[in-house]
Amino acid sequence: EPEVTQTPSHQVTQMGQEVILRCVPISNHLYFYWYRQILGQKVEFLVSFYNNEISEKSEIFDDQFSVERPDGSNFTLKIRSTKLEDSAMYFCASSAQGAYQPQHFGDGTRLSIL
Amino acid sequence: AQRVTQPEKLLSVFKGAPVELKCNYSYSGSPELFWYVQYSRQRLQLLLRHISRESIKGFTADLNKGETSFHLKKPFAQEEDSAMYYCALTAGNQFYFGTGTSLTVIP
Repeated sequence: EPEVTQTPSHQVTQMGQEVILRCVPISNHLYFYWYRQILGQKVEFLVSFYNNEISEKSEIFDDQFSVERPDGSNFTLKIRSTKLEDSAMYFCASSAQGAYQPQHFGDGTRLSIL
Repeated sequence: AQRVTQPEKLLSVFKGAPVELKCNYSYSGSPELFWYVQYSRQRLQLLLRHISRESIKGFTADLNKGETSFHLKKPFAQEEDSAMYYCALTAGNQFYFGTGTSLTVIP
């Protein structure tokens, strides 16, 4: 069964540095999402992406965050100048159609900011 | 505003006992509700969605608009049901997850 893959599984970065988290969605999916989960807290929606543009974003997704689909397969989340509070598990997901279709999640990238 | 509430952080039941994981939501429109499950060391995966009205792994969930609830139920819990369960709601293109309930089925 096709899966969403995320790399790296764990990223350690100095505060203030830029970080890029990578995701390869399921190949025929059209909608892509990023979520984060701070340790011990709930999964929080960050952004949804369709047709090469952001379709929805939460208040967490401020100017420090950006997403990109640089080619036909990758979907990336960039954090420009990381803060300690960005430490979390970041999940990528994709779905075949829109918001009402099941999302398939990746294993997540654990981001640790030092 | 808290869209999805799962009041129980931890829930333990004995094998063979009924289990109910509670979920309440707040949304003025017509919501689409889901239950996602995360087994130990595995990724988050869809368990069921209300629009399908199906039973997956013996679990069912009924949307009660009057009580704004979408509780997850199973008549006889199994050890392999031990996992983290998240109730989720879609509103527009945004998704809201509850804080999750960790279910432990005691053999």
